[in-house]
Amino acid sequence: DGGITQSPKYLFRKEGQNVTLSCEQNLNHDAMYWYRQDPGQGLRLIYYSQIVNDFQKGDIAEGYSVSREKKESFPLTVTSAQKNPTAFYLCASSPRDRGDTQYFGPGTRLTVL
Amino acid sequence: QKEVEQNSGPLSVPEGAIASLNCTYSDRGSQSFFWYRQYSGKSPELIMSIYSNGDKEDGRFTAQLNKASQYVSLLIRDSQPSDSATYLCAVRLSGGSYIPTFGRGTSLIVHP
Repeated sequence: DGGITQSPKYLFRKEGQNVTLSCEQNLNHDAMYWYRQDPGQGLRLIYYSQIVNDFQKGDIAEGYSVSREKKESFPLTVTSAQKNPTAFYLCASSPRDRGDTQYFGPGTRLTVL
Repeated sequence: QKEVEQNSGPLSVPEGAIASLNCTYSDRGSQSFFWYRQYSGKSPELIMSIYSNGDKEDGRFTAQLNKASQYVSLLIRDSQPSDSATYLCAVRLSGGSYIPTFGRGTSLIVHP
């Protein structure tokens, strides 16, 4: 049963704390992505990775960090430098031969109190 | 200027009607076009992709692409209340990146 999993589904943190969101896929996809979605907004790209041990900044990378130590995993850390971290975070992946076709995980809703 | 534009809606249609969702894009060299459905509180789900001019049908869904006019549409025939969701248009723009750009989405409400 292939797919993308994200955990936790809901996350509450105090202001000033770093938090790490998990994303795992067993689709054997090469590329993985992190997006942020705010109410009434489209998806905004935070970071993406095309291969292990390599990643690139997206449109809104400030205040976030990522790692890609394994093909299956692409965790996102929301640091205290992110000014407005409360949002719905979506992880996605795409296959090698169709990089523009994105498949999404279920998402993590982060609320910073 | 927004690169991928959608009317935010909501678009309200009666059950059984055809729902027509539209998306325009600014880059004439755009190559790939996608429609995602997103239920409230859930993640986007890919429902259609289209790459060449014309129509592409999949069940009750038809995607229509007109590159000359720079728009892509999604038609939903025999709309059902379960089709009520936000529909996101995504376009792979020209210029190097293969990552698609998403519109803000159109909210569709199908009422009984």
